[in-house]
Amino acid sequence: NAGVTQTPKFRILKIGQSMTLQCTQDMNHNYMYWYRQDPGMGLKLIYYSVGAGITDKGEVPNGYNVSRSTTEDFPLRLELAAPSQTSVYFCASSPYIDSSYNSPLHFGNGTRLTVT
Amino acid sequence: AQSVSQHNHHVILSEAASLELGCNYSYGGTVNLFWYVQYPGQHLQLLLKYFSGDPLVKGIKGFEAEFIKSKFSFNLRKPSVQWSDTAEYFCAVKGSSNTGKLIFGQGTTLQVKP
Repeated sequence: NAGVTQTPKFRILKIGQSMTLQCTQDMNHNYMYWYRQDPGMGLKLIYYSVGAGITDKGEVPNGYNVSRSTTEDFPLRLELAAPSQTSVYFCASSPYIDSSYNSPLHFGNGTRLTVT
Repeated sequence: AQSVSQHNHHVILSEAASLELGCNYSYGGTVNLFWYVQYPGQHLQLLLKYFSGDPLVKGIKGFEAEFIKSKFSFNLRKPSVQWSDTAEYFCAVKGSSNTGKLIFGQGTTLQVKP
């Protein structure tokens, strides 16, 4: 059981380039999330999805896009990379809807992205 | 809107010292509260969580946290820290929406000196 898998682990982009951060989970979780982590800022939610075909914006969606064509995959797309997008990106998943459920997030190992 | 505030950004302790990390949240409804830990170079892992019932919750590795509803607080404690507790600690809150999303605090870096 691999859990949440993110690729690549590291990437350096030039300003204006585009790329897709991949995220796959094999736990059949409905809920998936993309966070970015910046020093002193904690984790900020970029986008999330409550199931295949459904996505919604989080706190900091500008400059990013997502899709959720399958339960397993939740890729994050950067169309025109900017230095402000230099960050560590974490994908996470969760199985349940009801907040009363015992459902913490399961995180991937992160993607460290540098935009220069 | 929900928000989470962690008071201490960087804490330095000697081994065997006691630890308390502050966490306050702003949300008027029913909340679920979490503490996550991130060891150097690793992803976030769940330390403990509060959903309902006993406001004093115990987690892994000797950590505990107390939910005080009147103070909107969920402080993390450990009686005696070890060098291996050096990590970044995040408090998070989940409201009663059906999206499951967590709102995280800014994080507290704990450095334990041997």
